[in-house]
Amino acid sequence: DGGITQSPKYLFRKEGQNVTLSCEQNLNHDAMYWYRQDPGQGLRLIYYSQIVNDFQKGDIAEGYSVSREKKESFPLTVTSAQKNPTAFYLCASSYTGAGETQYFGPGTRLLVL
Amino acid sequence: RKEVEQDPGPFNVPEGATVAFNCTYSNSASQSFFWYRQDCRKEPKLLMSVYSSGNEDGRFTAQLNRASQYISLLIRDSKLSDSATYLCVVKPMNTGFQKLVFGTGTRLLVSP
Repeated sequence: DGGITQSPKYLFRKEGQNVTLSCEQNLNHDAMYWYRQDPGQGLRLIYYSQIVNDFQKGDIAEGYSVSREKKESFPLTVTSAQKNPTAFYLCASSYTGAGETQYFGPGTRLLVL
Repeated sequence: RKEVEQDPGPFNVPEGATVAFNCTYSNSASQSFFWYRQDCRKEPKLLMSVYSSGNEDGRFTAQLNRASQYISLLIRDSKLSDSATYLCVVKPMNTGFQKLVFGTGTRLLVSP
């Protein structure tokens, strides 16, 4: 089955700790995205990548880092610099044509201990 | 002003009712529009794209009014399974890639 997977489903972070969220897709999509969702707010773009070995900051990139070494994978690291990391993190992917739909993974809930 | 605005609801309707949601967007150059559905604690899933001529998919009808910069979603014959949050999503034209702007969502509760 084609799709997007994210792991883990739940993640707990201690103060000062970096954590990495996994995102993998087998849809052959060129573009991948990371969003953050907080209660009462719309999804906000953290980082995106249109092609392997290239990525761009979104609207709220501070305290986060990404890599895109493979087309299928786009891991997100939440660093200790992110002071309010508790949120629902969603990974998405799409083809890069105009109007192409983004498809989302099941998400990772990050909680701070 | 938010780029995409939606009434958060909740809209409480009985089964079989017809319900409509509106969404307004601020960027007049926006080119693509979507409705996504998000169940509680799940990821958003595409419900339908919204075309200038309007489009229908079964019980769901989406309309776009560019002059007034709003998008609507009409659900006929509501089912219990329609209970979810509906996200209005807009792609601004002036971005070089597929950046999407999400509304905060309208929550629908369908009761027996």
